[in-house]
Amino acid sequence: SQQGEEDPQALSIQEGENATMNCSYKTSINNLQWYRQNSGRGLVHLILIRSNEREKHSGRLRVTLDTSKKSSSLLITASRAADTASYFCATGTEYGNKLVFGAGTILRVKS
Amino acid sequence: EAGVVQSPRYKIIEKKQPVAFWCNPISGHNTLYWYRQNLGQGPELLIRYENEEAVDDSQLPKDRFSAERLKGVDSTLKIQPAELGDSAVYLCASSLMFMAGGVTSTDTQYFGPGTRLTVL
Repeated sequence: SQQGEEDPQALSIQEGENATMNCSYKTSINNLQWYRQNSGRGLVHLILIRSNEREKHSGRLRVTLDTSKKSSSLLITASRAADTASYFCATGTEYGNKLVFGAGTILRVKS
Repeated sequence: EAGVVQSPRYKIIEKKQPVAFWCNPISGHNTLYWYRQNLGQGPELLIRYENEEAVDDSQLPKDRFSAERLKGVDSTLKIQPAELGDSAVYLCASSLMFMAGGVTSTDTQYFGPGTRLTVL
């Protein structure tokens, strides 16, 4: 069963625009992670935010976490065509970090 | 540093045939995961190993799936016999378990490219 639910399911934007993806989950977590998957490839880890953190940045990525609402958002600023991919959020437990993935958001950046 | 290696990348078999997937994790990573990803979905955990011990196999369909991680390094996932519904991408991931503040924890999982299985 998948805990995270990403919203929207698909997003199409122009190059240079910002892209925002949301993730909601159901149970308590230790951390939440975002992954990117290009077509036919494996998952690439983007960023991890722990349950006691509210915001984290990495390059053009900004992640927020609201544990009271059980939700997270991923913002990609100044998007590029190379950002076209599927983006997944995954919630992690404390021990063993069992990740539970959502169904993903398909992002298309048009040049 | 080499990433997680998986083979084969693609496999096409007929139903009822056996199939095996191989994974070599990142050197030094003691935790290894097998996931299955159906089309249009996120990955779902099948089994997790800490060294050579399977510590979470609750999602592994044990009637037809088996896995092993001899010597706590590379791992093999087997399906016998395969069914049409087993068509999916099988992903292997690895991570490093560590102690922090008296608590055992793992962090980032690094994924291999996956094996795309098609059962006809």
